[in-house]
Amino acid sequence: EAGVTQSPTHLIKTRGQQATLRCSPISGHTSVYWYQQALGLGLQFLLWYDEGEERNRGNFPPRFSGRQFPNYSSELNVNALELEDSALYLCASSLAIKRGAYEKLFFGSGTQLSVL
Amino acid sequence: KQEVTQIPAALSVPEGENLVLNCSFTDSAIYNLQWFRQDPGKGLTSLLLIQSSQREQTSGRLNASLDKSSGRSTLYIAASQPGDSATYLCAVRPQGGSEKLVFGKGTKLTVNP
Repeated sequence: EAGVTQSPTHLIKTRGQQATLRCSPISGHTSVYWYQQALGLGLQFLLWYDEGEERNRGNFPPRFSGRQFPNYSSELNVNALELEDSALYLCASSLAIKRGAYEKLFFGSGTQLSVL
Repeated sequence: KQEVTQIPAALSVPEGENLVLNCSFTDSAIYNLQWFRQDPGKGLTSLLLIQSSQREQTSGRLNASLDKSSGRSTLYIAASQPGDSATYLCAVRPQGGSEKLVFGKGTKLTVNP
């Protein structure tokens, strides 16, 4: 069974451009989470989607946005890129929380975004 | 606000040694705690998940314990191997509706042959 897949693995952009990152969850998982891991800062929660809706977002500006498609895959968009957006962006998926016990999160390998 | 701390930030041990990684959290109102492994530039691999009602979980050479009331968890690695070298992260899932994981900054483990 395929795990969480993310594309692209690496992305190089310049300041002011837009970046689009993609994530496909494990089959059967309906919840998708996005995290940012910047050097020295640890993992910071960005966005959570469940059943196609944004359920929660972290303390990030509105230029970080995303969506979840009917097949539960997800897209993270970062507009007006800034140098400090350079980071590893990780996507995770889990079964829907409404199923009871809070399920284990499974992470993808990430997209390394470099803003020059 | 939930905060997760991992001590030490880095640890270097000789191969074969048993070791303990520590994780503490400030708010005991959690649903579960999860330990992850991260290799450089890579994503996270889930190692163990402990529900709030559990005291410990074991997988192979790994054993994780949870003391929710004192806000502590430990990850015990037996008979360490060079392949265990990685950064180990702990994360808690707080109660209260946010449903997001709160991560520590990790312990970077180096096992020397």
